[in-house]
Amino acid sequence: EAGVTQSPTHLIKTRGQQVTLRCSPISGHTSVYWYQQALGLGLQFLLWYDEGEERNRGNFPPRFSGRQFPNYSSELNVNALELEDSALYLCASQRQRYQETQYFGPGTRLLVL
Amino acid sequence: AQSVTQPDIHITVSEGASLELRCNYSYGATPYLFWYVQSPGQGLQLLLKYFSGDTLVQGIKGFEAEFKRSQSSFNLRKPSVHWSDAAEYFCAVGPTGGGNKLTFGTGTQLKVEL
Repeated sequence: EAGVTQSPTHLIKTRGQQVTLRCSPISGHTSVYWYQQALGLGLQFLLWYDEGEERNRGNFPPRFSGRQFPNYSSELNVNALELEDSALYLCASQRQRYQETQYFGPGTRLLVL
Repeated sequence: AQSVTQPDIHITVSEGASLELRCNYSYGATPYLFWYVQSPGQGLQLLLKYFSGDTLVQGIKGFEAEFKRSQSSFNLRKPSVHWSDAAEYFCAVGPTGGGNKLTFGTGTQLKVEL
């Protein structure tokens, strides 16, 4: 069974640009989570999607947004990139909405110059 | 608010020695507890989890963890460390924050000396 996949693996952008990161969950999983792992800040929850809807978001500005598609894959969009957005962005999927384990993908490393 | 504390930022052990990584949590109800491992530049791999039942949980790669409610702890152990265990280890508690997200500790970086 394939795990969570993310694309691209690495990305370099300049300040002010926009970026889209993609995540495909494990087959049969309906929930997708996004986390940011920035140097010195640890793992921070960004967004949670389940059954196509945003269910919860972390303490991030509105320029962080996303969506979940009917096939449960997900996109994370970041507008007006800032230097501090440089981080590893991790996607996790979960089989159902509650009481389940989150399985993580390999991440997308974003560098903002 | 829920929180997770991993008091050891770095730990160095010799190959073949035993290992214990500490994790303390603050949570208002019975938590779900997880240990994940992250190799450099990689995502998180689940080592083990506790939802309910037996408080001693076995995981992959020979790791185990024990849930102690009275101490609000979920320490990770391995009887004999291998050089390939060198990585960063994260303890997490969930669900938290009105949704279903995990709250992570700051991680413990494990170095294994040959």
